Amino acid sequence: NAGVTQTPKFRILKIGQSMTLQCAQDMNHNYMYWYRQDPGMGLKLIYYSVGAGITDKGEVPNGYNVSRSTTEDFPLRLELAAPSQTSVYFCASSYSEVRGPTEQYFGPGTRLTVT
Amino acid sequence: AQKVTQAQTEISVVEKEDVTLDCVYETRDTTYYLFWYKQPPSGELVFLIRRNSFDEQNEISGRYSWNFQKSTSSFNFTITASQVVDSAVYFCALSERETSGSRLTFGEGTQLTVNP
Repeated sequence: NAGVTQTPKFRILKIGQSMTLQCAQDMNHNYMYWYRQDPGMGLKLIYYSVGAGITDKGEVPNGYNVSRSTTEDFPLRLELAAPSQTSVYFCASSYSEVRGPTEQYFGPGTRLTVT
Repeated sequence: AQKVTQAQTEISVVEKEDVTLDCVYETRDTTYYLFWYKQPPSGELVFLIRRNSFDEQNEISGRYSWNFQKSTSSFNFTITASQVVDSAVYFCALSERETSGSRLTFGEGTQLTVNP
């Protein structure tokens, strides 16, 4: 299993440009998440999905969009990039269980700089 | 609303010292789950432990141990005989049973530096 994969690893964007961060998992997890981590800070949830075709906002969704057309893929779209979106972005996945929330598996992260 | 507080921003110790990382949480739910993750300098997030609110037994895994106390809403993490490889940022996180999608609320993290 590759686990959770993210591309690209690094990216520099100019203000106003758009891009899509790719995320894929091969563990057949139904839950997927996007977080951002600013320097010296914890992780903040941007968007999450409980299954294909279902997405919902997290704590900091402004400036981002997501889609979930398959169980495996959960791309994050940045429209009109701004310097405030400079951050490290992590994708994660987990499976649902009757016993409650399970651990999330994280991708390696994408370091994005907007200048 | 749920909240996790890790009051220690940075801790520095010398190798072989014991160190405890504090985690205090707030939740209105009676059923919830607590997690610890490690983020080494390479940047990936590594799962360490999951504990539900009904299980107050302390847990030990090698040099790592966790102390869960519902009375003080704390879930502290102790590393015994610390090693340089333990240097990392450690995050405590909380998920309530009824939270859609099993979302996690993370603390701000504690940067642990173990010096040789």
